[in-house]
Amino acid sequence: DIQLTQSPSFLSASVGDRVTITCRASQGISSYLAWYQQKPGKAPKLLIYVASTLQSGVPSRFSGSGSGTEFTLTISSLQPEDLATYYCQQVNSYPLTFGPGTKVDIK
Amino acid sequence: EVQLVESGGGLVQPEGSLRLSCSTSGFTFSDHYMDWVRQAPGKGLEWIGRSRNMANSYTTEYAASVKGRFTVSRDESTNSLYLQMDSLKTEDTAVYYCSRVSRSCYNDFWGQGTLVTVSS
Repeated sequence: DIQLTQSPSFLSASVGDRVTITCRASQGISSYLAWYQQKPGKAPKLLIYVASTLQSGVPSRFSGSGSGTEFTLTISSLQPEDLATYYCQQVNSYPLTFGPGTKVDIK
Repeated sequence: EVQLVESGGGLVQPEGSLRLSCSTSGFTFSDHYMDWVRQAPGKGLEWIGRSRNMANSYTTEYAASVKGRFTVSRDESTNSLYLQMDSLKTEDTAVYYCSRVSRSCYNDFWGQGTLVTVSS
């Protein structure tokens, strides 16, 4: 199985800050990676797929990059509504797996 | 508008069974793979099963943690997805989400989730 790790597991930043979350895969997954945002008490929401493609309707302050085993999600200017937990997911092979999540808090 | 609505959650005893339903609308159900993903209380997301689309004969895939105990099925006449859960364990306690898989193979729409609690 492909394991995903995320760093940091928690971050606290101010409104307007640039925030970067890293996801690492235990083996190469090409660009078969997605990022999801989950707000408290809500279902996950797809933000980025194929590592860097922005899902329709997602604000342009979100961006993704990477391939192979290392990927990043960047929020260029953190907004109050970005308070959430962010998960990466690999769809390269079964079983599909998610990273453990990064909780983003607003200072 | 794509909509996914889960139902069927509740309290069940260990070794019991439960069937979850996911009613869908707003898209051509037979064209899409569908997934079940769960989230234990305070924990992360866990993919547990997939039903491929009609073009791929509705074949299924499962996570090791549920293989042999859970079965994903679908009814094209009602555009519904199901998760039959047997031999339930306390560690199956979670919110269960159904999710549509996009043509790019990512989970682009999600239901609101239904809570399953396995406890004596």
